[in-house]
Amino acid sequence: GENVEQHPSTLSVQEGDSAVIKCTYSDSASNYFPWYKQELGKRPQLIIDIRSNVGEKKDQRIAVTLNKTAKHFSLHITETQPEDSAVYFCAAREDSSYKLIFGSGTRLLVRP
Amino acid sequence: DTEVTQTPKHLVMGMTNKKSLKCEQHMGHRAMYWYKQKAKKPPELMFVYSYEKLSINESVPSRFSPECPNSSLLNLHLHALQPEDSALYLCASSQVAQNNQPQHFGDGTRLSIL
Repeated sequence: GENVEQHPSTLSVQEGDSAVIKCTYSDSASNYFPWYKQELGKRPQLIIDIRSNVGEKKDQRIAVTLNKTAKHFSLHITETQPEDSAVYFCAAREDSSYKLIFGSGTRLLVRP
Repeated sequence: DTEVTQTPKHLVMGMTNKKSLKCEQHMGHRAMYWYKQKAKKPPELMFVYSYEKLSINESVPSRFSPECPNSSLLNLHLHALQPEDSALYLCASSQVAQNNQPQHFGDGTRLSIL
């Protein structure tokens, strides 16, 4: 089955700097990769996703890149703001099932 | 505002109680999911319903019993739970299960077992 590893587990940046979170996956057949943001006590919120036929996707300050050959994908947040502070989860969807396999999460702290 | 609504938001129950968690969506989605999330951990899939039929049961103990009365509703019946079952229970939905459609989560029910 699919296995997703996520790094770093914690990330502290100064407001205005960029933040990058990286994930690797094991199943080359996986073809859908969403990113979720979860603030304390709240639900995971889908912030961006990418499918395997695309190498990069951008939505304002958030971008995701996918390298299918290396089986890794990354979340890039530019011009970080304190409200970006949260736990971010990457996920990969197994091709053979309906299952999303989540990474272990990255706690992002944006210092004002 | 979340489009997946879960009730109750909080639930405290004893190990001998029977209770139910409810989830509702009106987006016309035909796939619905139950996840369990422990503190500082990612969501763990429990069940998947596709077109009101149970498609995946991730070897969940029988003290958790899912039900999908119709395409908009998903229930999780709880009986004889253990303290380690205390967690945030999240419901999610997507257009269909088979394709790469985004899953949208509800706010969850925070469950505490005494």
